[in-house]
Amino acid sequence: RKEVEQDPGPFNVPEGATVAFNCTYSNSASQSFFWYRQDCRKEPKLLMSVYSSGNEDGRFTAQLNRASQYISLLIRDSKLSDSATYLCVVNMAAGNKLTFGGGTRVLVKP
Amino acid sequence: NAGVMQNPRHLVRRRGQEARLRCSPVKGHSHVYWYRQLPEEGLKFMVYLQKENIIDESGMPKERFSAEFPKEGPSILRIQQVVRGDSAAYFCASSVQGGGVYTEAFFGQGTRLTVV
Repeated sequence: RKEVEQDPGPFNVPEGATVAFNCTYSNSASQSFFWYRQDCRKEPKLLMSVYSSGNEDGRFTAQLNRASQYISLLIRDSKLSDSATYLCVVNMAAGNKLTFGGGTRVLVKP
Repeated sequence: NAGVMQNPRHLVRRRGQEARLRCSPVKGHSHVYWYRQLPEEGLKFMVYLQKENIIDESGMPKERFSAEFPKEGPSILRIQQVVRGDSAAYFCASSVQGGGVYTEAFFGQGTRLTVV
């Protein structure tokens, strides 16, 4: 089993719709969690950290479920500019190394 | 992002040559990660370094690849005797410390290596 797994997609989303996707992680001792966004051929950029109580930043909502070992990202009122690959990142307990999932590709269409 | 600087941005090497990729972390950051991304694929961890110390190199190929992060100067990823399969984007990221809650990493713009 991969340490961090994501559905690669693509998720084809009509503009204005809501899309949600998950990321599962294998190490129950993982300490911190992030969502990054990567646009084509560019560097990943931090979208948001994921707090244990869940958190919201504008149209984006992140949730953490420790019991089932997954985090989720929900995007409301999708914009064309939300088209990107969303990377789940987990700070594994051992060695404090950041481990990336393979990414979920989202395509927002008019 | 106060600026993780990678250079060169683009590097072309002939098969058999050496490639040196440099990464200057955000000022004050003491930890550096290197990742490789093949076309149409996700980021693959290569190595995680602290100044003068390799913490985790489990993603580094056993041969031809090496990395360092000296006390002074940038982190260097070195690929000896490059082959066509080494063509990829190499991203460097830095963080303020090794871990802890919400210690995110900031990425440089990457070096795109093309082996001809």
